Amino acid sequence: NAGVTQTPKFRILKIGQSMTLQCTQDMNHNYMYWYRQDPGMGLKLIYYSVGAGITDKGEVPNGYNVSRSTTEDFPLRLELAAPSQTSVYFCASSPPTGVLGYTFGSGTRLTVV
Amino acid sequence: AQSVTQLDSQVPVFEEAPVELRCNYSSSVSVYLFWYVQYPNQGLQLLLKYLSGSTLVKGINGFEAEFNKSQTSFHLRKPSVHISDTAEYFCAVSRNNNDMRFGAGTRLTVKP
Repeated sequence: NAGVTQTPKFRILKIGQSMTLQCTQDMNHNYMYWYRQDPGMGLKLIYYSVGAGITDKGEVPNGYNVSRSTTEDFPLRLELAAPSQTSVYFCASSPPTGVLGYTFGSGTRLTVV
Repeated sequence: AQSVTQLDSQVPVFEEAPVELRCNYSSSVSVYLFWYVQYPNQGLQLLLKYLSGSTLVKGINGFEAEFNKSQTSFHLRKPSVHISDTAEYFCAVSRNNNDMRFGAGTRLTVKP
């Protein structure tokens, strides 16, 4: 049972480059989330999705885009990378019924130079 | 919106000593409360949760937490810690399934 899988684990980007962080889950969870984690700041919600074709902004969506074409996949796109986007990114998922907490991936550490 | 404050950014403690990690929350409606643990270079894992009922909640690895509605607190405790408990701990609050808010985290360091 893989749970939530994120790729890549590490990436260095130059300012202005773009990339996609991949996230896939095999638990048939409807809800998926992207968070960023900065030291001393906890986790901030970037975007979330309640099902295929439905996405919505979280607390810090600027500079990011998402799509949800399938239940399993929820990629996060950075179009023009900036140093402020240096962070650790976590994808998570949860089922639509019951409050069971989130299942997290192992994270992607992104550095923008 | 709901919010969470973790009162200690770092907690050093000796092995086999008790520990308490403090968490206060703010919300105008009823919420669900969670503690997650993050080991180095890993994602967050659910430690325990409070949904309703008994205010004392037991989780994995010998941890427990007590919900106190009058003080809007959800402190995490363990009577005797091990070196392997060294990690970062996050308190979180949620009204439903898509609005979980996390505290800034408490780094627990267990020393021999």
